[in-house]
Amino acid sequence: QKEVEQDPGPLSVPEGAIVSLNCTYSNSAFQYFMWYRQYSRKGPELLMYTYSSGNKEDGRFTAQVDKSSKYISLFIRDSQPSDSATYLCAMSARGNEKLTFGTGTRLTIIP
Amino acid sequence: DTEVTQTPKHLVMGMTNKKSLKCEQHMGHRAMYWYKQKAKKPPELMFVYSYEKLSINESVPSRFSPECPNSSLLNLHLHALQPEDSALYLCASSQAGLYQETQYFGPGTRLLVL
Repeated sequence: QKEVEQDPGPLSVPEGAIVSLNCTYSNSAFQYFMWYRQYSRKGPELLMYTYSSGNKEDGRFTAQVDKSSKYISLFIRDSQPSDSATYLCAMSARGNEKLTFGTGTRLTIIP
Repeated sequence: DTEVTQTPKHLVMGMTNKKSLKCEQHMGHRAMYWYKQKAKKPPELMFVYSYEKLSINESVPSRFSPECPNSSLLNLHLHALQPEDSALYLCASSQAGLYQETQYFGPGTRLLVL
């Protein structure tokens, strides 16, 4: 079993829809949770960063962490064609320099 | 400013060439990273430098040689690479030590080995 599981997709949704992306993990030491967006042939861009459990909102993006279930989510409201990209979840334990990534979900927003 | 810069953007090299990839950040981060990313795969960690010292080497072949000349710069020296080493090479940086949090990535160098 991988430490971090993420559905690779592809996921296609119409413009304006709410998108839900998810990752599950097995290592209870993880405390820092990140979502990166990666456009084709570019480097990952940090979208959201959350420490421990709870919700964080930034514009159209909401990140949720449920440590009791070892489950994290990213919601995108009012999705736009420019949101089409691969979304990578990543996590790390405190004081641990190693990020563990999910495999990435390829998302396409259809105009 | 959360920018990590990498040069060159693209690199084509033969198996006998020697080349170097460069990475720079001015965020005061004391941890810097090299990752390798193949198509449709997540980044794979290669090396971590913490306070200019190599702290993690993920069993990377010796044809890849990292160097951290100072706290803002990170190099990756390449020699005698194989075609399977063709990939996107990403640099990242973060705070170091106990309060290490998130990592910021550069745009990457796309390497093709012929």
